[in-house]
Amino acid sequence: AQSVTQLDSQVPVFEEAPVELRCNYSSSVSVYLFWYVQYPNQGLQLLLKYLSGSTLVKGINGFEAEFNKSQTSFHLRKPSVHISDTAEYFCALNNAGNMLTFGGGTRLMVKP
Amino acid sequence: GAGVSQTPSNKVTEKGKYVELRCDPISGHTALYWYRQSLGQGPEFLIYFQGTGAADDSGLPNDRFFAVRPEGSVSTLKIQRTERGDSAVYLCASSQRQGTGELFFGEGSRLTVL
Repeated sequence: AQSVTQLDSQVPVFEEAPVELRCNYSSSVSVYLFWYVQYPNQGLQLLLKYLSGSTLVKGINGFEAEFNKSQTSFHLRKPSVHISDTAEYFCALNNAGNMLTFGGGTRLMVKP
Repeated sequence: GAGVSQTPSNKVTEKGKYVELRCDPISGHTALYWYRQSLGQGPEFLIYFQGTGAADDSGLPNDRFFAVRPEGSVSTLKIQRTERGDSAVYLCASSQRQGTGELFFGEGSRLTVL
């Protein structure tokens, strides 16, 4: 069985501060890892993905994530957030099958 | 169209009624997925189509749920004898290739069962 755990349901942060959204996973086989973002009243949008190769992956809007196999983590980071980054963020994994398994989501709230 | 289109965007129905939710994927995408997102939770997999056939329906919660994709494009999720616990946002996604997780999602259909 595979699972994804997002440890923080909500993360409040001030504008221009750095942020890290945590994601840990469990799987008995190799995985592909993803972060999706859901802005209010919009569909899920792919932020970035790790398929293979370099463990540091860069995505849209200045976000990046680092795959750490030994710690089974894929934390999302941004050095300086904007008000427009306020959204729900979902970590997900795929073990090369047909199904994405999602975490419960982290609501990022950027305050002025 | 440019993206995945889902209709209706909102559906309110009474317990016991039948509901259909429609998904129009991105043109040329052969893989189509249905997910369900309950309040405060991440999306949960329901069913996956590759072309016209349901390749994996292991996420359907019970036999009241059924989905079709007769021509390999538009898909309809059908829910019989709706229950209050079926209330959720039903998400549809499509992709060109299976297995890489690069899914393109619609905005969802919010179902409320009274």
